[in-house]
Formats: sequence, C-alpha cells, structure tokens
Amino acid sequence: EPEVTQTPSHQVTQMGQEVILRCVPISNHLYFYWYRQILGQKVEFLVSFYNNEISEKSEIFDDQFSVERPDGSNFTLKIRSTKLEDSAMYFCASSSSFPYNEQFFGPGTRLTVL
Amino acid sequence: DAKTTQPTSMDCAEGRAANLPCNHSTISGNEYVYWYRQIHSQGPQYIIHGLKNNETNEMASLIITEDRKSSTLILPHATLRDTAVYYCIVRVALNNAGNMLTFGGGTRLMVKP
Repeated sequence: EPEVTQTPSHQVTQMGQEVILRCVPISNHLYFYWYRQILGQKVEFLVSFYNNEISEKSEIFDDQFSVERPDGSNFTLKIRSTKLEDSAMYFCASSSSFPYNEQFFGPGTRLTVL
Repeated sequence: DAKTTQPTSMDCAEGRAANLPCNHSTISGNEYVYWYRQIHSQGPQYIIHGLKNNETNEMASLIITEDRKSSTLILPHATLRDTAVYYCIVRVALNNAGNMLTFGGGTRLMVKP
C-alpha cells in the first residue's frame, strides 16, 4: 500500500540553525501539507501546497518557514533559523484530488532544538 | 468549519464495540464529517468520512443522525491496537483552499484486555 515517507525520523539542531525536513508524498497525489505537534498538544496545520504554490498557510507559518517541491517526488519544509519553540513532531501529508480529499500522513520527523 | 465536541476519554473492553460520539451542532449543509485517529505520536490516520448517510468501510462504521448535529464512530470489535486518540473533524470537502484539517483534542480511547 502506498504511503507517505519522511526523513529524518529525528533531527537535533542548535538554535539558530537551518533545518530541512523531507517528505515523499504518495506518487499520484496533488496536494501536500505540513502539520506540527508540540509534545502533549494538538496537531496544528502549517501549510498546504498545490500546483507548485502555497494554497493556504496558518499564522504559525511565518517568514522563517518555507516549502518547496524541488523535483517530482520530494516535498520539503525549511526552517531558516530554528528556535527552541520549534521543537515538535512535524508531519507531512498528501491527498489526491477532490472531492473527498482524505489526507494521508507520514510517520513524522521529531525536531529537537537545543 | 464547524466546531466539534468529543468526550476527552473512553474505555472499551477488547473484542467489544467501541462507540465514539461527536457533537457538531453547527454543521453546515456542505460540510462532511471526517474521522482520523493518532496512535501514540504516529501520524494521524484517516478512518472514514460521511455527509448524511451512514458509511462503513473495513475499519469502522459512521452513523450520522438525521439532523446531522451529531455522529458516532463505531469500531465493531475493538482490539488493543485500536488504542489511540480519535478526532472528529467537520469541514467542507469541495474547497479551493488547502483543505486544512483542524484537529481538536479528540477522544483518547483505551482498549483494555
């Protein structure tokens, strides 16, 4: 069964460093998403991406965040200058076209900012 | 998107049916009810969705009341592997925006031997 994959599974970085989280969505999906979950808190939407551009973003997704689909298979989330409060699980998801648009999530990347 | 209300936690005996309720009294006519679950810090997993008719798939059944103000997710024979947080999410399916999912606190289902 096709699945969303994410690398790395755990990333440790120093405050102020840049990190890139990588995702390989399901191959025939057209819509891509990033969510995050701070330990013990709710899953929060960050951004959605379609047709090579951001279609929606939350207030969390500020200028330090960016997303890219550099080739036909990868979808990346870059955090330019990490802060302690960026420590969280980051989940990538993808979905096919409308109408029902159920999203399939990857296993997540645990980001720890020291 | 309409807000939902779910119990914080529920227990269920292994092998019995787990019935998870969700209230969505402000649901609009074009909003669907989606259920996802999250097993211990894994990525959320899609379970089922519906508009007004009851739905069943290999994982669960979804019962939506006639007035659509509430619904129940049924896991017919719960196993220990069904222990998870279950999220009821109401949103429009046809949407030119990103179709973001808004997760609430969900119901923590504990399946006990």
